[in-house]
Amino acid sequence: DIQMTQSPSTLSTSVGDRVTITCRANQSISSWLAWYQQKPGKAPKLLIYKASSLEGGVPSRFSGSGSGTEFILTISSLQPDDFATYYCQQYNGYPWTFGQGTKVEIK
Amino acid sequence: EVQLVESGGGLVKPGGSLRLSCAASGFTFSTYSMNWVRQAPGKGLEWVSSINSRSTYIEYAGSVKGRFTVFRDNAKSSLYLQMNSLRAEDTAVYYCAREGPDYWGQGTLVTVSS
Repeated sequence: DIQMTQSPSTLSTSVGDRVTITCRANQSISSWLAWYQQKPGKAPKLLIYKASSLEGGVPSRFSGSGSGTEFILTISSLQPDDFATYYCQQYNGYPWTFGQGTKVEIK
Repeated sequence: EVQLVESGGGLVKPGGSLRLSCAASGFTFSTYSMNWVRQAPGKGLEWVSSINSRSTYIEYAGSVKGRFTVFRDNAKSSLYLQMNSLRAEDTAVYYCAREGPDYWGQGTLVTVSS
C-alpha cells in the first residue's frame, strides 16, 4: 500500500498568514493527489485534484503543487473559514490512502 | 445539485450485520463510479470500497475484504454496503462519495458494541 505522510500534524496560525502543508508519498503517484478540507461533524470537501487543479467554487487562495512523491497545499492568506483539518489522498491505485490530517488552528 | 444521502447506520453487536444505503440525485448515477469511505471517531479517513459504473470492477480495503460487499442499483440511483461479521474496529461514520471522490454524503454512523 502507498503510505501518505502529512506535515505538520497541527498548525497554529493567524488570519492573514500564508499556510503550507506538505504531503509525501512513499512511492511515486504521478499527479494523482487530492486535497480535502474537513470541519467538525461535516463531510470532507474537495479542494484540489490532480495535485494542482482547483475544484470549482473553491477560493483561489487555495493552491496545490508537486508531483511524484512530494506535494504542497498552500493557503495564500488564511481566512476565518479556513480553520479546519486538511487531508491529502492518493488515487494512483488501490487501495486509495489518505494522509493522517493536518489541523489548522487559531494561534 | 448533487446530493448523496446515506442511511442504515446504527448500533450493532460484534459479529452482526448491517446494510448501508446511499441515495443519489442531481447527476446521472449510472455513469459514475462510487465509493465508501469511513472515519472512526476522532480519527482520519479510510477508504473502504469502490465500484465502477456498471459493477464490473470492485475493490475493497484489506481490512474489510471478505466481510463487506458493495453493490449498486443504477435504476434506483442507489449504492449499498452490506457489512457482515462486524467488529468493534468497524465503528465509524461511513460516507458515500462520488467518483473522484468529489461529492460526499453527510455520513451515517455505525457503532459496533456489545
